[in-house]
Amino acid sequence: DVELVESGGGLVQPGGSLRLSCAASGFTFSDHYMDWVRQAPGKGLEWVGRIRNRPDSYITEYAASVKGRITVSRDDSKNSLFLQMNSLKTEDAAVYYCTREKCDISGCYWYFDLWGRGTLVTVSS
Amino acid sequence: DIHMTQSPSSVSASVGDRVTITCRASQDIGSWLAWYQQKPGKAPKFLIYAASSLQSGVPSRFSGSGSGTDFTLTISSLQPEDFATYYCQQANTFPLTFGGGTKVEIK
Repeated sequence: DVELVESGGGLVQPGGSLRLSCAASGFTFSDHYMDWVRQAPGKGLEWVGRIRNRPDSYITEYAASVKGRITVSRDDSKNSLFLQMNSLKTEDAAVYYCTREKCDISGCYWYFDLWGRGTLVTVSS
Repeated sequence: DIHMTQSPSSVSASVGDRVTITCRASQDIGSWLAWYQQKPGKAPKFLIYAASSLQSGVPSRFSGSGSGTDFTLTISSLQPEDFATYYCQQANTFPLTFGGGTKVEIK
C-alpha cells in the first residue's frame, strides 16, 4: 500500500525539543518533494516546511512562524522524513502531518496528494 | 503572504443538493489552486489541483473552476459521505497558504 506513517509526537514542555519521523512505503520516496503540514486543535491547516529531492539538492524551505526552530530532513535510503523541532512554544501544539507533493515528469508541485494520519504534539508545562 | 478567503465558513445542505464553495486569493495565483476534503479526526484528502483537474479516484460530482483570484469548488449532487470540511490552498507563491475552511453540514 502507498502510505505515510508518522511517529514521535507527544507531550513536551515549552522550550523543549521533539523529533518527528515519517515512514513512507509503496512509492519511490526519493523522487518526491516532501512537506510537513500542521493543524492546531479545532483550527485550519498550516504549512510548516518542505524538503526537495536529491536532483534539487535537498533544498529546504520553512514557514516564517517556525524558521530557525525547525529542521526538515530526509533519509532516502530508509524512505524516511524527519522534523526536528526545538524551542517549542505552546502555539506549536498541533497534529503534524507528513505529506507528499504531487510530481510528474515535469517536476514536483506544491500540491499534497498523499497524507499520513498525523501525530499529535502537545506543548504544555 | 497570499491570504486565502473561503466563503461561506459553513453551509447546511441536504443529500442531492448542489453545493458551491468559493475561495478568493489576495493576489493573482493563476491556476495554482488545490482543494482538500477533511473529515473529523482524519487527514485531509486531495480532491482537485490546478484549479480544475480532478485527482484520480475522486468522484466526478466534484469539480473546480476559476483562475486569477476567484475559484469555486462545486459538488453537483451532495452524497452522505461528502459532509466534511473543505480547504483551498494556493501553490503559486512561497509560502503556500490555505483557506480557513468551509464546513458542509447536514440540513
